[in-house]
Amino acid sequence: EPEVTQTPSHQVTQMGQEVILRCVPISNHLYFYWYRQILGQKVEFLVSFYNNEISEKSEIFDDQFSVERPDGSNFTLKIRSTKLEDSAMYFCASSDPLGTDTQYFGPGTRLTVL
Amino acid sequence: GENVEQHPSTLSVQEGDSAVIKCTYSDSASNYFPWYKQELGKRPQLIIDIRSNVGEKKDQRIAVTLNKTAKHFSLHITETQPEDSAVYFCAASASGGSYIPTFGRGTSLIVHP
Repeated sequence: EPEVTQTPSHQVTQMGQEVILRCVPISNHLYFYWYRQILGQKVEFLVSFYNNEISEKSEIFDDQFSVERPDGSNFTLKIRSTKLEDSAMYFCASSDPLGTDTQYFGPGTRLTVL
Repeated sequence: GENVEQHPSTLSVQEGDSAVIKCTYSDSASNYFPWYKQELGKRPQLIIDIRSNVGEKKDQRIAVTLNKTAKHFSLHITETQPEDSAVYFCAASASGGSYIPTFGRGTSLIVHP
């Protein structure tokens, strides 16, 4: 069964540094998402992406965040100048609205900002 | 926007007992309600979902019920097993295109052998 994959599994960075989190969605899916989950809390929506542009974004997704689909398979989340409070698990998800609205999550990247 | 409340935050049961987790939502436009199971350090995994055109759906030991009038939906797990121990999240959204699910805060289910 195809799965969403994410790299790296764990990223440690210094405050103020830029990080790029990478995702490979399921190949025939058309919508892509990023979520974050601060330790012990609920999953929070960041942004959705369709047809090479952002469809929706939450209040969390401010100017320090950006997303990109640089090629036909990868979907990236860039955090320009990381803050301590950006430490969280970041999940990528994808869905195929032509078949089902079900979102499939990747294994996550644990981001630790020191 | 949508607001999803989930209860209880922690649920402890003995193996073989049933477990029920309840969620309420606020937006009457929501019509898709997935449930995710998240084991410690793992990704959320969809375990069952229900759409607003049905009131109940069952998959082996797991069932979900939906009351659109009251805007609440519940997850029922029968004959619980230790491997059911995890955090369960409900979510609500309007389906079609780039729908954005709003998640509940999660229920930590502990099944004691």
